[in-house]
Amino acid sequence: AQSVAQPEDQVNVAEGNPLTVKCTYSVSGNPYLFWYVQYPNRGLQFLLKYITGDNLVKGSYGFEAEFNKSQTSFHLKKPSALVSDSALYFCAVRDVGDYKLSFGAGTTVTVRA
Amino acid sequence: NAGVTQTPKFQVLKTGQSMTLQCAQDMNHNSMYWYRQDPGMGLRLIYYSASEGTTDKGEVPNGYNVSRLNKREFSLRLESAAPSQTSVYFCAIAGDSSSYNEQFFGPGTRLTVL
Repeated sequence: AQSVAQPEDQVNVAEGNPLTVKCTYSVSGNPYLFWYVQYPNRGLQFLLKYITGDNLVKGSYGFEAEFNKSQTSFHLKKPSALVSDSALYFCAVRDVGDYKLSFGAGTTVTVRA
Repeated sequence: NAGVTQTPKFQVLKTGQSMTLQCAQDMNHNSMYWYRQDPGMGLRLIYYSASEGTTDKGEVPNGYNVSRLNKREFSLRLESAAPSQTSVYFCAIAGDSSSYNEQFFGPGTRLTVL
């Protein structure tokens, strides 16, 4: 079975400060990991994914994520947050060879001006 | 190029009524998915279709049926709506069911069952 945990329901940061959204996962095999963002009343938008190779993955809008196999984590980061980054962020995992994508409960990010 | 479209955007039903949620894509992708989103629970897979002519149950299929009408369209039907089906429903597509392909999501249908 595969699962994702996002331990923080909410993250609040000031504009210009670093932003981190945490994600840990559990899979039986090797994971494929994804981050999505959802703005109010919109569908989910793909940000980035880890498949294999370099543990640091760069994605859209200046976001990046670091895959850590020993800690089974895939934290999303942005060096300098913008007010426009305020949204709901989802981490998702898929076991290699499985069709099913499992989502975390989501983390609401608020960036204050 | 609209990507993934869903109709309707909003719907209010009474308990016991039926309705069909429509999803269409213009990206020529093989795999299509239906999810529901509930507060604090993330997205849960209802049904998916790996390719035209095939459908399979996800983790919460009870109370729903699906039809993969052709490669472009994947509909979700509620035969007898219940208040527990109040949710936001998202259709998603992917190039194929390979593990590493990201999914693209439609704008959602907000359903309220009274």
